[in-house]
Amino acid sequence: DVKVTQSSRYLVKRTGEKVFLECVQDMDHENMFWYRQDPGLGLRLIYFSYDVKMKEKGDIPEGYSVSREKKERFSLILESASTNQTSMYLCASSFDSIAKNIQYFGAGTRLSVL
Amino acid sequence: DAKTTQPTSMDCAEGRAANLPCNHSTISGNEYVYWYRQIHSQGPQYIIHGLKNNETNEMASLIITEDRKSSTLILPHATLRDTAVYYCIVRVARSTDSWGKLQFGAGTQVVVTP
Repeated sequence: DVKVTQSSRYLVKRTGEKVFLECVQDMDHENMFWYRQDPGLGLRLIYFSYDVKMKEKGDIPEGYSVSREKKERFSLILESASTNQTSMYLCASSFDSIAKNIQYFGAGTRLSVL
Repeated sequence: DAKTTQPTSMDCAEGRAANLPCNHSTISGNEYVYWYRQIHSQGPQYIIHGLKNNETNEMASLIITEDRKSSTLILPHATLRDTAVYYCIVRVARSTDSWGKLQFGAGTQVVVTP
């Protein structure tokens, strides 16, 4: 079974803190994604990566950065957390093939910024 | 990507088949239909996908109309664990833009009752 592991299920941080959300996949997938999910807005793509050290902006990259130093790990960084970044964050991965739209998701990290 | 339309919610009795409709009247010839579901407080889970032929796997069946303008996901024997939001997504399988970015709409909230 494909496993996508997010480092924390719940996280509480203060405004202005630097926050790291970690995601690890064990299927040697080329593509990795970070989404956030908010009530009424659905899932929105923040960043994605199609290879080590490669990244592309998604729909809502402002206030976020990412890092992919190893193929299996994709980190989402909130440089200075703000209350409007309180959300559920979801990491996903997929093969870089015709099956790229079959994405495997982690359980999510519910982040609260106070 | 083609837009999809799904009912907001539906109920299903445990043990009965659940038939979830999706309209995608603007689908183009190279777009696949994907189904995902999201159980409360978990990440989305891939279910099945198809191009024009009907598909079946261990989780569900996918029936696509001949004109490809609509499809139905069938859960043959619904259980309480199938209570979730079900998303129908239409997407090209291979594209050089947005590398596998999935657009999740509002989906259908399915409640399976005893």
